Amino acid sequence: EVQLVQSGAEVKKPGESLRISCKGSGYSFTNYWITWVRQMPGKGLEWMGRNDPSDSYSNYSPSFQGHVTISADKSISTAYLQWSSLKASDTAIYYCARLYGGDSYYFDYWGQGTLVTVSS
Amino acid sequence: QSVLTQPPSVSAAPGQKVTISCSGGSFNIENNYVSWYQQLPGTAPKLLIYDNNKRPSGIPDRFSGSKSGTSATLGITGLQTGDEADYYCGTWDGSLSAGIFGGGTKLTVL
Repeated sequence: EVQLVQSGAEVKKPGESLRISCKGSGYSFTNYWITWVRQMPGKGLEWMGRNDPSDSYSNYSPSFQGHVTISADKSISTAYLQWSSLKASDTAIYYCARLYGGDSYYFDYWGQGTLVTVSS
Repeated sequence: QSVLTQPPSVSAAPGQKVTISCSGGSFNIENNYVSWYQQLPGTAPKLLIYDNNKRPSGIPDRFSGSKSGTSATLGITGLQTGDEADYYCGTWDGSLSAGIFGGGTKLTVL
C-alpha cells in the first residue's frame, strides 16, 4: 500500500527555521517526484514545487522560489520542505503528494498534511 | 488569483447532477492533461479524475471529467450529502514551468 506520512504539527516564532518531512512507503521512492502544496487557512491549494528523489533536482513555483527549499534523502525515502526564516504568513497546512508525471500530470497519493503555525 | 478559474460555489439537491468548470489557457489546460481533486472538510485532497477523464480505482462512475480547448469540466451525478466538499482542478503550466490549481469550488448538496 502506497503511503506518504508527514511529520507532526509545528508551532514556531517568526524568524525561526523549520524542516518538515514526508516519508514514502509501499513503492519505489525514486521512481516518482514529490510535490509540496500549501493551503493557507480557509484558502485553496497552491503548488509550491517538486523534487525528483532520484537526483534531488527541484524546481519551484515562481511564488515560492527563494522562500523555501525542497529536498529528499532517497536512502530513507523521505522528502523535506524547509524554511530558513519563517514569517507569520507561512502559517498553513502543507501537503506532500506523489506526482505521476511523464505525459500525464497528477497527484495520486497525498500525505495527511502538516500544520505549521508561526506566531510571536 | 489563480491561473485556472473555477466558480466559488455550486449547489444542487440530492440525486441531481452538477458540473464544475475550470477555465485556463493555451499554456496550461489546452496543452496538458487536467486532473480533479476532492477535499472533504478537514482532510487531505483526494484524486478524483486524471488525464482529463479517467477515474482511479475506487472512484465511482458518478464522477466524470471532460476537456475542450482551454476549459475542463467535472461532472457529478446522483449527488449525495457525502459529496459536499471543495473541488479543485489542476494541471501543468508551460509558461510558469509550474503546477497550478484552480481556486476551488465548494459543492453544497441542499
